Amino acid sequence: EVQLLESGGGLVQPGGSLRVSCAASGFTFSNYAMNWVRQAPGRGLDWVSTISASGGNTYYADSVKGRFTISRDNSKNTLYLQMSSLRAEDTAVYYCAIRIAAATFDYWGQGTLVTVSS
Amino acid sequence: AIQMTQSPSSLSASVGDRVTITCRASQGIGNDLGWYQQRPTKAPELLIYAASSLQSGVPSRFSGSGSGTDFTLTISSLQPEDFATYYCLQNYNYPFTFGPGTKVDIK
Repeated sequence: EVQLLESGGGLVQPGGSLRVSCAASGFTFSNYAMNWVRQAPGRGLDWVSTISASGGNTYYADSVKGRFTISRDNSKNTLYLQMSSLRAEDTAVYYCAIRIAAATFDYWGQGTLVTVSS
Repeated sequence: AIQMTQSPSSLSASVGDRVTITCRASQGIGNDLGWYQQRPTKAPELLIYAASSLQSGVPSRFSGSGSGTDFTLTISSLQPEDFATYYCLQNYNYPFTFGPGTKVDIK
């Protein structure tokens, strides 16, 4: 069974940093690109970033480019999102998601809440 | 970036109604479109991929159609558990973009 479990969310001050993680199981992690999607309170879904299976290619939304870094450790089956220079508008639930069998994100984690506030 | 629009932004419907939601892309995306259902405080769930393919385990009352720039999600007979928010997602190219969502509530 595919499982994605996010962790690391919490309260951080504006300008601060935080790293969230996504532990994966139930599939061969190193074979698949991984993604982060976020949702601000009461708002819609926003794609944040994607990393290729090997980690050699990364893609970012303009809103986080230069501030967020996606990475992965295939030996630990874990995806990361390092967030720096955080702003109030980065407050959101952060989901990891993967395309396995379908042509789009077919498995999602339960999300981890990041709150940026003083 | 490809912009995705959805209409309507919200609708009220009754159990048993046929519901249609439209998603439009600002440029052609082939059939690289998915539809998601999200209930409050839950992660999104995939309903339709590749514009018209039903995800495994999803009831057959859900269907998708379209290609290029115009896409439709149809619920043939609305059930109580279908009251939720629906999003389209284009994964044709980066940055991937979601539609703003359509909230379906009870009339």
